Amino acid sequence: AQSVTQLDSHVSVSEGTPVLLRCNYSSSYSPSLFWYVQHPNKGLQLLLKYTSAATLVKGINGFEAEFKKSETSFHLTKPSAHMSDAAEYFCVVSDQSGYSTLTFGKGTMLLVSP
Amino acid sequence: NAGVTQTPKFQVLKTGQSMTLQCAQDMNHEYMSWYRQDPGMGLRLIHYSVGAGITDQGEVPNGYNVSRSTTEDFPLRLLSAAPSQTSVYFCASSYFGASASTDTQYFGPGTRLTVL
Repeated sequence: AQSVTQLDSHVSVSEGTPVLLRCNYSSSYSPSLFWYVQHPNKGLQLLLKYTSAATLVKGINGFEAEFKKSETSFHLTKPSAHMSDAAEYFCVVSDQSGYSTLTFGKGTMLLVSP
Repeated sequence: NAGVTQTPKFQVLKTGQSMTLQCAQDMNHEYMSWYRQDPGMGLRLIHYSVGAGITDQGEVPNGYNVSRSTTEDFPLRLLSAAPSQTSVYFCASSYFGASASTDTQYFGPGTRLTVL
């Protein structure tokens, strides 16, 4: 069984300040972990993914995430927020057991103010 | 290369009506899936397919049917629409290689469905 918990439903930051979106997961097997972003009225786009290689994963648009097995966490960070980062972010887990499906978190809405 | 396409973009149905949401991909992906997105719920898997002729149920399959007669197409059928099926529906596909669970999912733009 697998599950994912996004600890904040909304995060508000000012432009130019750091971003931290928190995600905890549970998986019976070695997990694959993903962060997807959804801009208003758009489909989902992959930001980055962890698949048991390097624990610090770099993604698009300056985002990165660190896989911490001891803490079962995969938090998403960015050093400096931009107005265009305002969107909803989803943490996703998939256990690496063959035909595994994806389990989505409930999402974190990132609000960026000028 | 159009990626994943979905039609229609918007649809309004009356309770009891049936309809088919279309999904197509031109990336020769084996794995295709349907999700519904509701506020505060994230995306929940309805049905998925690992190849032509093979489908399986996800987390919330009741009230929906699927079939996969070709690699490219994966339509979702609502048999008798209910207000609880008001949602945004996303189709996704991915290459289904040896490391299937690590593959990136490519999402369509979504279909916004309202059932009155």
